[in-house]
Order: sequence, then structure tokens, then C-alpha cells
Amino acid sequence: QKEVEQNSGPLSVPEGAIASLNCTYSDRGSQSFFWYRQYSGKSPELIMSIYSNGDKEDGRFTAQLNKASQYVSLLIRDSQPSDSATYLCAALQGAQKLVFGQGTRLTINP
Amino acid sequence: KAGVTQTPRYLIKTRGQQVTLSCSPISGHRSVSWYQQTPGQGLQFLFEYFSETQRNKGNFPGRFSGRQFSNSRSEMNVSTLELGDSALYLCASSGPGQGNYGYTFGSGTRLTVV
Repeated sequence: QKEVEQNSGPLSVPEGAIASLNCTYSDRGSQSFFWYRQYSGKSPELIMSIYSNGDKEDGRFTAQLNKASQYVSLLIRDSQPSDSATYLCAALQGAQKLVFGQGTRLTINP
Repeated sequence: KAGVTQTPRYLIKTRGQQVTLSCSPISGHRSVSWYQQTPGQGLQFLFEYFSETQRNKGNFPGRFSGRQFSNSRSEMNVSTLELGDSALYLCASSGPGQGNYGYTFGSGTRLTVV
């Protein structure tokens, strides 16, 4: 079992709709979680961090964390073609090591 | 504010050679991590340094090593290169203002071993 698992996709969403990205993790000791966006040929860019159970909103992005279910999600509202990218879920282990999922490739169709 | 700077951007090396990659973190950041990204394995943690001390190391062979200097700049070295070492090597830094260990990545060094 991978430590952080994501559906690799591709996930295709029409422009203006809500894109929902999911991630599960196996290490119950992980307390901090991050979503990174990576465009093709570029490096990962941090878009959201979440540490407490519940929702955290930042503009069109909402991160959700459920530690009991070991589940993290990212919602993107009003999806735009510029949101087309690979989204990486990461869990922080031991305060220093980010463990990444394989990433979900998201395509927003105009 | 300058971001994380990695040099060089691209490298082509021959099997058996060694290579040194450099990373300058965001000013004020003292934690520097290195990751390897390949299509098959994704992003994998190599090691993390804080105040010149390696605090954590991933599951990579001893051919992969690193160090951090007093100004927080970091280098990683790969000796006796193998074809499988071809990858994007990413450096990330974290410090005050990032909020609980959020890491900012540099643009990466694309290493090709031939």
C-alpha cells in the first residue's frame, strides 16, 4: 500500500464546474497535508495546506481533511482552463519529510 | 522576494560520472529538502537539512549525498551515475511565514544520464 494514494486520472471537468480531487494516506501520525499544482515541465507550486479536520477555503479552492478516515480532498470551484495541471497531495511525516501521491492529472474542457 | 534558486537547470552526464547540484533557499529559510521526480516513481524524498545538519534521509543509496552551508545554501551530489538517476531533482525550502512546514520548490535541475 502506498503511503499517499491518489487517483491518477485523467480527470476531465467542464469549464465552470467543480473539480473534486481525492487523496488517502496511511500514516496516522501525519498531521499536516498539502496540495501542490504542477504544470507540465514546471515544478510543484503550493496551493493549499490543511492541518485540522474540516474545511479550509482560499478563493476558488477548498481543502477538506478527515483524519478519522485518513482522507484529504481538494475542491476547485468555477474551474478554468488554466487549472489544467497535475495535482499532488502530500502528507508531512516526522516534521521534515513530504510524502507525495502519484498525482491526479486534471483537464478543464472549455 | 527571490524564490528558491537551483543551478544548473539542465545537465547531461555519462554513466559513472558524478554530479553536484546547487540550491539557494528563500532568504531566511533554514530548512532545505531535496526530492527526485521521475515518471515512474513520482516525487520521492531524498534528504532534509536544517542549520547544516541532515535531519532526515530517504531510501536512496549512499551514492546520493548532500550538505548544507552556514548560509543555508545546499548542494547534493550523486556519484557513479547510473541511467536510472535520470530525473528532475527538486529543492524545496521552508521557514518562517510558510505556515507549518509548507515547502516552496525551486525550478529543478533536469539530469540526463547517457
